[in-house]
Amino acid sequence: AQSVTQLDSHVSVSEGTPVLLRCNYSSSYSPSLFWYVQHPNKGLQLLLKYTSAATLVKGINGFEAEFKKSETSFHLTKPSAHMSDAAEYFCVVSDGNNRLAFGKGNQVVVIP
Amino acid sequence: DAGVTQSPTHLIKTRGQQVTLRCSPISGHKSVSWYQQVLGQGPQFIFQYYEKEERGRGNFPDRFSARQFPNYSSELNVNALLLGDSALYLCASSLRLAGLVGPSYEQYFGPGTRLTVT
Repeated sequence: AQSVTQLDSHVSVSEGTPVLLRCNYSSSYSPSLFWYVQHPNKGLQLLLKYTSAATLVKGINGFEAEFKKSETSFHLTKPSAHMSDAAEYFCVVSDGNNRLAFGKGNQVVVIP
Repeated sequence: DAGVTQSPTHLIKTRGQQVTLRCSPISGHKSVSWYQQVLGQGPQFIFQYYEKEERGRGNFPDRFSARQFPNYSSELNVNALLLGDSALYLCASSLRLAGLVGPSYEQYFGPGTRLTVT
Protein backbone atom coordinates (compact mmCIF):
# COMPACT_ATOMS: atom_id res chain seq x y z
CA ALA A 1 0.00 0.00 0.00
CA GLN A 2 1.09 3.52 -0.71
CA SER A 3 1.72 5.87 2.19
CA VAL A 4 3.45 9.12 3.07
CA THR A 5 4.98 10.35 6.30
CA GLN A 6 5.00 13.98 7.28
CA LEU A 7 6.83 14.81 10.49
CA ASP A 8 6.42 18.07 12.42
CA SER A 9 2.67 18.45 12.47
CA HIS A 10 3.10 22.15 13.35
CA VAL A 11 5.74 24.34 11.71
CA SER A 12 6.40 27.98 12.60
CA VAL A 13 8.40 30.20 10.27
CA SER A 14 9.16 33.90 10.31
CA GLU A 15 7.97 35.97 7.38
CA GLY A 16 10.73 36.23 4.78
CA THR A 17 12.59 33.10 5.92
CA PRO A 18 12.68 29.76 4.03
CA VAL A 19 10.01 27.12 4.39
CA LEU A 20 10.87 23.41 4.43
CA LEU A 21 8.22 20.72 4.82
CA ARG A 22 9.47 17.14 4.82
CA CYS A 23 7.73 14.20 3.19
CA ASN A 24 8.85 10.59 2.84
CA TYR A 25 6.86 8.12 0.82
CA SER A 26 6.42 4.38 0.57
CA SER A 27 5.43 2.93 -2.78
CA SER A 28 5.63 -0.43 -4.47
CA TYR A 29 6.22 1.15 -7.88
CA SER A 30 6.98 4.49 -9.47
CA PRO A 31 4.77 6.89 -7.59
CA SER A 32 2.99 10.06 -8.54
CA LEU A 33 3.46 12.58 -5.74
CA PHE A 34 1.65 15.77 -4.95
CA TRP A 35 1.55 18.60 -2.48
CA TYR A 36 -1.83 20.10 -1.68
CA VAL A 37 -2.59 23.17 0.44
CA GLN A 38 -5.73 23.74 2.48
CA HIS A 39 -6.54 27.21 3.73
CA PRO A 40 -9.08 27.58 6.54
CA ASN A 41 -12.62 26.98 5.33
CA LYS A 42 -11.42 26.47 1.78
CA GLY A 43 -11.01 23.45 -0.42
CA LEU A 44 -7.80 21.60 -1.18
CA GLN A 45 -5.65 23.25 -3.85
CA LEU A 46 -2.92 21.50 -5.82
CA LEU A 47 0.47 23.16 -5.29
CA LEU A 48 2.56 20.91 -7.50
CA LYS A 49 2.91 17.36 -8.78
CA TYR A 50 5.62 14.87 -9.74
CA THR A 51 4.82 12.28 -12.40
CA SER A 52 8.24 10.85 -13.41
CA ALA A 53 9.38 13.80 -15.50
CA ALA A 54 11.81 16.35 -14.02
CA THR A 55 12.81 15.57 -10.45
CA LEU A 56 12.67 19.24 -9.46
CA VAL A 57 9.10 20.37 -9.69
CA LYS A 58 7.98 23.99 -9.56
CA GLY A 59 4.52 24.85 -8.35
CA ILE A 60 2.35 27.83 -7.66
CA ASN A 61 3.13 30.69 -5.28
CA GLY A 62 6.89 30.11 -5.39
CA PHE A 63 6.85 26.57 -3.99
CA GLU A 64 8.96 23.78 -5.37
CA ALA A 65 9.73 20.17 -4.44
CA GLU A 66 12.46 17.72 -5.32
CA PHE A 67 11.86 14.02 -5.87
CA LYS A 68 14.72 11.89 -4.52
CA LYS A 69 14.18 8.21 -5.20
CA SER A 70 17.26 7.12 -3.22
CA GLU A 71 15.86 8.85 -0.14
CA THR A 72 12.17 8.17 -0.94
CA SER A 73 11.57 11.85 -0.26
CA PHE A 74 9.58 14.69 -1.78
CA HIS A 75 10.27 17.71 0.41
CA LEU A 76 8.50 21.02 -0.23
CA THR A 77 10.41 24.30 -0.09
CA LYS A 78 9.90 28.01 -0.58
CA PRO A 79 12.73 30.55 -0.34
CA SER A 80 10.78 33.23 1.49
CA ALA A 81 7.61 32.74 3.52
CA HIS A 82 4.68 35.12 3.12
CA MET A 83 1.85 35.67 5.56
CA SER A 84 -0.55 34.18 3.00
CA ASP A 85 1.35 30.87 3.20
CA ALA A 86 -0.23 30.13 6.59
CA ALA A 87 -2.27 27.00 5.92
CA GLU A 88 -2.19 23.22 6.18
CA TYR A 89 -0.04 21.34 3.69
CA PHE A 90 -0.50 17.72 2.68
CA CYS A 91 1.95 15.44 0.92
CA VAL A 92 0.07 12.91 -1.18
CA VAL A 93 0.94 9.75 -3.12
CA SER A 94 -1.15 8.21 -5.87
CA ASP A 95 -1.49 4.45 -6.24
CA GLY A 96 -1.59 4.65 -10.03
CA ASN A 97 -5.36 4.43 -10.16
CA ASN A 98 -5.80 8.00 -9.07
CA ARG A 99 -6.56 7.04 -5.48
CA LEU A 100 -4.74 9.45 -3.25
CA ALA A 101 -3.14 8.60 0.09
CA PHE A 102 -2.63 11.72 2.21
CA GLY A 103 -0.12 12.36 4.94
CA LYS A 104 -1.28 13.76 8.26
CA GLY A 105 -0.40 17.30 7.22
CA ASN A 106 1.81 20.18 8.31
CA GLN A 107 0.10 23.16 9.91
CA VAL A 108 2.23 26.17 8.93
CA VAL A 109 2.18 29.34 11.01
CA VAL A 110 3.91 32.43 9.65
CA ILE A 111 5.18 34.86 12.27
CA PRO A 112 5.29 38.53 11.24
CA ASP B 1 -15.56 27.31 -15.56
CA ALA B 2 -17.37 25.91 -12.55
CA GLY B 3 -15.31 23.79 -10.24
CA VAL B 4 -16.42 20.77 -8.27
CA THR B 5 -19.58 21.57 -6.33
CA GLN B 6 -20.92 19.81 -3.27
CA SER B 7 -24.17 20.03 -1.37
CA PRO B 8 -25.12 20.68 1.28
CA THR B 9 -22.36 22.80 2.80
CA HIS B 10 -23.16 21.85 6.36
CA LEU B 11 -25.32 19.14 7.85
CA ILE B 12 -26.28 18.12 11.38
CA LYS B 13 -27.65 14.63 11.98
CA THR B 14 -28.44 12.45 14.96
CA ARG B 15 -26.86 9.08 15.68
CA GLY B 16 -28.59 6.29 13.80
CA GLN B 17 -29.86 8.51 11.02
CA GLN B 18 -28.95 8.27 7.36
CA VAL B 19 -27.37 10.99 5.22
CA THR B 20 -26.86 11.63 1.49
CA LEU B 21 -24.16 13.94 0.21
CA ARG B 22 -24.01 15.14 -3.37
CA CYS B 23 -21.22 16.06 -5.75
CA SER B 24 -21.10 17.53 -9.25
CA PRO B 25 -17.76 17.12 -11.03
CA ILE B 26 -16.07 19.55 -13.35
CA SER B 27 -17.62 19.40 -16.81
CA GLY B 28 -15.94 16.67 -18.85
CA HIS B 29 -14.56 14.82 -15.83
CA LYS B 30 -15.65 11.20 -15.67
CA SER B 31 -14.09 10.10 -12.40
CA VAL B 32 -15.33 11.06 -8.95
CA SER B 33 -13.71 10.15 -5.66
CA TRP B 34 -14.88 10.64 -2.08
CA TYR B 35 -12.69 11.34 0.94
CA GLN B 36 -13.37 11.71 4.65
CA GLN B 37 -11.33 14.28 6.60
CA VAL B 38 -11.63 14.03 10.34
CA LEU B 39 -10.57 17.14 12.23
CA GLY B 40 -6.78 17.33 12.50
CA GLN B 41 -6.12 14.53 10.02
CA GLY B 42 -5.48 14.19 6.32
CA PRO B 43 -8.31 13.06 4.05
CA GLN B 44 -8.93 9.30 3.86
CA PHE B 45 -10.03 7.65 0.61
CA ILE B 46 -13.55 6.20 0.69
CA PHE B 47 -14.65 5.47 -2.90
CA GLN B 48 -13.72 6.04 -6.50
CA TYR B 49 -16.12 5.86 -9.42
CA TYR B 50 -15.33 6.00 -13.10
CA GLU B 51 -17.89 5.81 -15.88
CA LYS B 52 -20.55 4.94 -13.31
CA GLU B 53 -18.70 1.91 -11.97
CA GLU B 54 -17.03 1.54 -8.60
CA ARG B 55 -13.31 1.30 -9.24
CA GLY B 56 -11.97 1.46 -5.72
CA ARG B 57 -13.02 1.32 -2.09
CA GLY B 58 -11.13 2.36 0.99
CA ASN B 59 -11.21 0.79 4.42
CA PHE B 60 -14.69 1.92 5.42
CA PRO B 61 -17.64 -0.16 6.71
CA ASP B 62 -20.58 -1.21 4.57
CA ARG B 63 -22.61 1.61 6.09
CA PHE B 64 -20.90 3.76 3.48
CA SER B 65 -22.11 3.46 -0.10
CA ALA B 66 -22.02 5.60 -3.21
CA ARG B 67 -23.10 5.74 -6.80
CA GLN B 68 -22.38 7.73 -9.93
CA PHE B 69 -25.08 8.86 -12.32
CA PRO B 70 -25.07 9.05 -16.15
CA ASN B 71 -24.21 12.76 -15.93
CA TYR B 72 -21.18 11.77 -13.77
CA SER B 73 -22.51 13.42 -10.63
CA SER B 74 -22.27 11.30 -7.52
CA GLU B 75 -23.91 10.64 -4.17
CA LEU B 76 -22.36 9.34 -0.98
CA ASN B 77 -24.70 7.65 1.48
CA VAL B 78 -23.94 6.85 5.07
CA ASN B 79 -26.38 4.73 7.11
CA ALA B 80 -26.71 4.28 10.87
CA LEU B 81 -24.60 7.34 11.62
CA LEU B 82 -22.10 7.20 14.45
CA LEU B 83 -20.49 10.08 16.32
CA GLY B 84 -17.21 9.13 14.66
CA ASP B 85 -18.67 9.87 11.23
CA SER B 86 -18.48 13.58 12.02
CA ALA B 87 -16.05 14.96 9.46
CA LEU B 88 -15.55 17.02 6.34
CA TYR B 89 -16.51 14.93 3.31
CA LEU B 90 -14.63 15.87 0.19
CA CYS B 91 -15.44 15.06 -3.39
CA ALA B 92 -12.80 15.20 -6.11
CA SER B 93 -13.08 14.82 -9.85
CA SER B 94 -10.55 13.99 -12.51
CA LEU B 95 -10.57 13.56 -16.26
CA ARG B 96 -10.09 9.83 -16.18
CA LEU B 97 -8.92 6.92 -14.16
CA ALA B 98 -5.22 6.40 -14.75
CA GLY B 99 -3.88 2.89 -15.05
CA LEU B 100 -1.00 1.45 -13.12
CA VAL B 101 1.42 2.68 -15.78
CA GLY B 102 1.30 6.24 -16.99
CA PRO B 103 0.64 9.70 -15.66
CA SER B 104 -1.92 10.30 -13.00
CA TYR B 105 -4.40 13.05 -13.68
CA GLU B 106 -4.67 15.43 -10.83
CA GLN B 107 -7.87 15.50 -8.83
CA TYR B 108 -9.75 18.73 -8.28
CA PHE B 109 -11.45 19.00 -4.93
CA GLY B 110 -14.74 20.56 -3.97
CA PRO B 111 -15.18 22.66 -0.82
CA GLY B 112 -16.61 19.74 1.11
CA THR B 113 -19.67 19.00 3.22
CA ARG B 114 -19.23 19.40 6.95
CA LEU B 115 -21.21 16.63 8.68
CA THR B 116 -21.81 16.81 12.40
CA VAL B 117 -23.38 13.82 14.14
CA THR B 118 -24.84 14.46 17.59
